[in-house]
Amino acid sequence: DVKVTQSSRYLVKRTGEKVFLECVQDMDHENMFWYRQDPGLGLRLIYFSYDVKMKEKGDIPEGYSVSREKKERFSLILESASTNQTSMYLCASSKGGSMNTEAFFGQGTRLTVV
Amino acid sequence: GENVEQHPSTLSVQEGDSAVIKCTYSDSASNYFPWYKQELGKRPQLIIDIRSNVGEKKDQRIAVTLNKTAKHFSLHITETQPEDSAVYFCAASISGGGGADGLTFGKGTHLIIQP
Repeated sequence: DVKVTQSSRYLVKRTGEKVFLECVQDMDHENMFWYRQDPGLGLRLIYFSYDVKMKEKGDIPEGYSVSREKKERFSLILESASTNQTSMYLCASSKGGSMNTEAFFGQGTRLTVV
Repeated sequence: GENVEQHPSTLSVQEGDSAVIKCTYSDSASNYFPWYKQELGKRPQLIIDIRSNVGEKKDQRIAVTLNKTAKHFSLHITETQPEDSAVYFCAASISGGGGADGLTFGKGTHLIIQP
């Protein structure tokens, strides 16, 4: 059974703080993704990675960066948190290769920036 | 980039009736179309997917159809049950080239099954 685990379920941070959201998967998946989910907007892709040390911008990368030093771990970094980054953040992973396959999601981190 | 439109945003049906959710996409290069179900407070989970070389796919009470020419795809749920109540998301992406692109999601449909 694939497990994608996010380090925190709930997080409250202050404006201007540097925030780290951690995600670990245990299925040796090549691809990892970070999405944010907001009511009425669905899931929007922030960044993704298809290999260690590789990263690609998604649709809304501004204000975020990522790090993938190990295959199983993908971190999302908010360089200077702002209130408009209050959201649910979802990490996902999928097998690599030439064909898209099922993405498995973590349980989500609800981040509140005050 | 890709843009996915999903309708309706809310759908209420009587238990036992059918439900249809429709999505359109903008990038003709998209070739992978999954559907995810998200129950309240839980993570999204894949329920069915279809690739562009297939027009229809079924899995028990769930079916997905794809019209590449019109760039739209639909989710059909027959004989709806209370446990079908959830938010459903369609998505589209381009696969190939050795690395997977991320999924572009629609905004979701809240399906309510009335007893």
